[in-house]
Amino acid sequence: GQQLNQSPQSMFIQEGEDVSMNCTSSSIFNTWLWYKQDPGEGPVLLIALYKAGELTSNGRLTAQFGITRKDSFLNISASIPSDVGIYFCAGHSRGAGGTSYGKLTFGQGTILTVHP
Amino acid sequence: DTEVTQTPKHLVMGMTNKKSLKCEQHMGHRAMYWYKQKAKKPPELMFVYSYEKLSINESVPSRFSPECPNSSLLNLHLHALQPEDSALYLCASSRYYPRASDTQYFGPGTRLTVL
Repeated sequence: GQQLNQSPQSMFIQEGEDVSMNCTSSSIFNTWLWYKQDPGEGPVLLIALYKAGELTSNGRLTAQFGITRKDSFLNISASIPSDVGIYFCAGHSRGAGGTSYGKLTFGQGTILTVHP
Repeated sequence: DTEVTQTPKHLVMGMTNKKSLKCEQHMGHRAMYWYKQKAKKPPELMFVYSYEKLSINESVPSRFSPECPNSSLLNLHLHALQPEDSALYLCASSRYYPRASDTQYFGPGTRLTVL
């Protein structure tokens, strides 16, 4: 099946620092989605990307859909304690056919810890 | 409004119990999903409903039985579960399925513990 390699697996940063994480794949993706999940809660959509090269911001968050369609990154500027959580990238693979079409593929997640 | 609601928030059940998880959305979405998630892992797809019909069953054991009574509601009936079934169960919805561009919105999940 399709795979997304998300890195880093975890990050420990000081409040106020900027954060960068990314996802890569050997397959072409139609969409890239970034979710944040707090403990015991469901994933919350942060940013959705639909076109190669697209750069989208949501407050302190910025994400880009890679020009090759095989990668995406998420940046968080001036981190604050409430940024703590697990960040997942996810996407729909353009190359997936049959019963895989339309299914979301998830990265393994980046665990973010912010020290005050 | 991009809200998906799930009840109950927490559920503890014995291996011989029968229980149900409920999910509701009022966004007019025609696709609804059940996912299972273990701690610090990504969600794993279990079932997909499209226009109230089961489209995908990811080889889920029959002790999990989904039901879609109407376009806004999705249930997951549980019977004779095992302790390894303990997990966070997430419901999600999107406008349509399959379509390789629709955003999925997740509910808050039900934390299930099987004793």
